[in-house]
Amino acid sequence: EAGVAQSPRYKIIEKRQSVAFWCNPISGHATLYWYQQILGQGPKLLIQFQNNGVVDDSQLPKDRFSAERLKGVDSTLKIQPAKLEDSAVYLCASSQGLAGGQVNEQFFGPGTRLTVL
Amino acid sequence: AQKVTQAQTEISVVEKEDVTLDCVYETRDTTYYLFWYKQPPSGELVFLIRRNSFDEQNEISGRYSWNFQKSTSSFNFTITASQVVDSAVYFCALSFDRGSTLGRLYFGRGTQLTVWP
Repeated sequence: EAGVAQSPRYKIIEKRQSVAFWCNPISGHATLYWYQQILGQGPKLLIQFQNNGVVDDSQLPKDRFSAERLKGVDSTLKIQPAKLEDSAVYLCASSQGLAGGQVNEQFFGPGTRLTVL
Repeated sequence: AQKVTQAQTEISVVEKEDVTLDCVYETRDTTYYLFWYKQPPSGELVFLIRRNSFDEQNEISGRYSWNFQKSTSSFNFTITASQVVDSAVYFCALSFDRGSTLGRLYFGRGTQLTVWP
């Protein structure tokens, strides 16, 4: 079974530029998450989708970050304009959500390492 | 408030030693889920175990074992006879099955484990 795919793996941009990340979840997983992991910290949720609807975007800096999940499969996360403090690894994860009556584990992609200069 | 504390930032052991990684959590909910993930140098988070709040049985999987104690709000992870391949950052995480935070993972800061040959 194919895992969660992400691209690009690495991206270097200058501040004020824009950048986009792509994620393809595990087939059949209705729930998709984007996390931001700053060096030396645990991942923090940015946004959660259930199919193509947003469940939780309370931690997403909406003045510069946006995300969409068209057709309930692939997802893109965009930053515009980027700031120095956006340098981090952006992780995409997917899960079966509450299938089976309990919280299922999330499967993570390899992440995109963003460096903002 | 939901919170996960991993007080050990870094641990170094020599191969074949046993090592325990501590995890303490905070929540007012009576139903919750606890997870452990491994993040090797490649960066991808790998799921290790899930526990729900109603199941306090300890679990053993090969060299790995987990001790869940609700009385002390702890979910500790022990690696027996450690190996160099166990070197990674280990994250403890907390999740819930209802409310606006449905399925979201709250991560600790992680513990960097280094196993020397």
